[in-house]
Amino acid sequence: AQSVSQHNHHVILSEAASLELGCNYSYGGTVNLFWYVQYPGQHLQLLLKYFSGDPLVKGIKGFEAEFIKSKFSFNLRKPSVQWSDTAEYFCAVMNSGGYQKVTFGTGTKLQVIP
Amino acid sequence: DAGVTQSPTHLIKTRGQQVTLRCSPKSGHDTVSWYQQALGQGPQFIFQYYEEEERQRGNFPDRFSGHQFPNYSSELNVNALLLGDSALYLCASSGAFSGRALETQYFGPGTRLLVL
Repeated sequence: AQSVSQHNHHVILSEAASLELGCNYSYGGTVNLFWYVQYPGQHLQLLLKYFSGDPLVKGIKGFEAEFIKSKFSFNLRKPSVQWSDTAEYFCAVMNSGGYQKVTFGTGTKLQVIP
Repeated sequence: DAGVTQSPTHLIKTRGQQVTLRCSPKSGHDTVSWYQQALGQGPQFIFQYYEEEERQRGNFPDRFSGHQFPNYSSELNVNALLLGDSALYLCASSGAFSGRALETQYFGPGTRLLVL
């Protein structure tokens, strides 16, 4: 069975600080990886996704993530956060065997202080 | 182009009752997945529907059932409600199950269910 671990449950940063949120997954086969964001009072939105190819993936709003297969990791990064990045971030994995079951991590709450 | 819509937005029920939640997928999507998001947790997969059939199921009891209609919309039914069923129920839609397995899922705003 696939699983996802997000080790940082709550992160507090000042504006302009750099961000890195950890994500590790467990699955024996080929995976597709996602980061979703949930802004306060809004629904889940896709930030970025990795299916294949370049392991460095760029998403919306200046976010990027790097897939490191040997470490089973897909960490999310942003060089300079803004107050508007305050939200909850979810890492997710989907097996690529033709099924679209998505397994989510428990999420990381990011609070950016102006 | 309407995204994924869900109704109702909020619902209050008592233990033992039954509830039906509804979802309309994004235009052009024909696969619907349902998730339960308890407070402080990530969404957990309940099941997925394609061509009006349940194609995959997560670790949820038979009290959770669903249906998909010919227009691709879907319902989630929960019988004999328990206090622990209180959660945000999310619907996600995506492209065809077969042939385009790499389609991204798009989520609706959810239905918040409170069981008293």
